[in-house]
Amino acid sequence: GQQVMQIPQYQHVQEGEDFTTYCNSSTTLSNIQWYKQRPGGHPVFLIQLVKSGEVKKQKRLTFQFGEAKKNSSLHITATQTTDVGTYFCAAPLRGGYNKLIFGAGTRLAVHP
Amino acid sequence: ETGVTQTPRHLVMGMTNKKSLKCEQHLGHNAMYWYKQSAKKPLELMFVYNFKEQTENNSVPSRFSPECPNSSHLFLHLHTLQPEDSALYLCASSQGRPRGPGIAFFGQGTRLTVV
Repeated sequence: GQQVMQIPQYQHVQEGEDFTTYCNSSTTLSNIQWYKQRPGGHPVFLIQLVKSGEVKKQKRLTFQFGEAKKNSSLHITATQTTDVGTYFCAAPLRGGYNKLIFGAGTRLAVHP
Repeated sequence: ETGVTQTPRHLVMGMTNKKSLKCEQHLGHNAMYWYKQSAKKPLELMFVYNFKEQTENNSVPSRFSPECPNSSHLFLHLHTLQPEDSALYLCASSQGRPRGPGIAFFGQGTRLTVV
C-alpha cells in the first residue's frame, strides 16, 4: 500500500549544527504536512505544503516540497536544544477519505 | 491545549480486564482518528471516523473496539489485551475536505500498559 518513507531514523548533532530530515513517497502527493513531537508529548502540526516546488520558512526551519510532489524535506539551521524531538511527515492516502498517513519520524538529539 | 482531550492519561490493565479510552474534541471537526504509537511503529493508524461513521479499520484486532456516538466523542474499548498492546494511544481530529484530511490535532495520549 501507499507509504511515506522518512530518513534518517535518528540524528545526533552538536548544538549549532544543521539538521535535515527527508520524506519520500512512490506516488504523487496532494500535499504534505510536518509535525513535531517533543519527548513525552504529542505530535503538533508545524506546516503544510501544497504546491510543487514550494518552500516555506519558519524562523530557523525551512520546508521544501519537491517539484514532482513525491518528496519533501525539513531543514533546521543552527540547531538549539529546544529543537529536540521527533519530526514526522504526513500525507493523505490516495483514495482514502480523510486518511492521514505518517512517516516513521526522525528523532533529533541535540548535544549542548 | 489542542482542543482534543483524552482520558485517562495513564492506564495499567491486566490481560483479562475491560477498559475504555475516551477522546473528546471541541474544535467542530468532522473526522476523528485513533493512532497507536510504539517503538516498532511510531504512528500507526488504527481507525478513522468521518461524520461519526467508521471509514477505516486498518486491520486492527477485534480486541480493540471503537465507538463514535457523535462527531465530538470517540471511544476505544479494550478487552483481553496482550502485553504487546502496551503503547501510547493517540486520538486526533481534523476538518476533512474533499481534497484531503486537513490538519490533525492530537490529544495528549493515553499511556497504556498491559500486565
